Amino acid sequence: GQNIDQPTEMTATEGAIVQINCTYQTSGFNGLFWYQQHAGEAPTFLSYNVLDGLEEKGRFSSFLSRSKGYSYLLLKELQMKDSASYLCAVGDSNYQLIWGAGTKLIIKP
Amino acid sequence: IAGITQAPTSQILAAGRRMTLRCTQDMRHNAMYWYRQDLGLGLRLIHYSNTAGTTGKGEVPDGYSVSRANTDDFPLTLASAVPSQTSVYFCASSEGQGTHNEQFFGPGTRLTVL
Repeated sequence: GQNIDQPTEMTATEGAIVQINCTYQTSGFNGLFWYQQHAGEAPTFLSYNVLDGLEEKGRFSSFLSRSKGYSYLLLKELQMKDSASYLCAVGDSNYQLIWGAGTKLIIKP
Repeated sequence: IAGITQAPTSQILAAGRRMTLRCTQDMRHNAMYWYRQDLGLGLRLIHYSNTAGTTGKGEVPDGYSVSRANTDDFPLTLASAVPSQTSVYFCASSEGQGTHNEQFFGPGTRLTVL
């Protein structure tokens, strides 16, 4: 079967760095996405990885290792507004996205 | 309209009733999707459409139907609602099919079936 695993919840301190991991087992691989979802709102795009390595975009970076079925999202200089759920999604062999349940990130002052 | 809109924002529905959730996008995107989001689960694809005039089944299509008469609109119909269809429903669109395309999401419809 197809499976995306992420931690359910993480807590971090304002100004710190946090790494949210995602492991996946899917039928085929056609890219990995990270989305941010604030409570009661729609998911919004953060990053896309299709090749191994690190993609950096401001305070957010995303890493992919296809051989390990592993990705992480790195958030630096955490701000209170970063409190949200972070969703990992993988494109499968049918070019449909398989979604993880999301990681709820709680930022404490 | 800017982006994707969904209506209604929320709805309480009696079991057995028919309900259509509306979704409209103004980005001229070819592909559109309907997901449901339940606590503790990832987004699950109900139906999708790669281009106007075509539709396909996702992971959880039973009890739902869709149509894509034009590029902009992609309504989702529950023919006879059941309590297990209580969920938050998101419509999304992307430029084309293929998972390299970022999906843009509407604000969601919160549906409660009693």
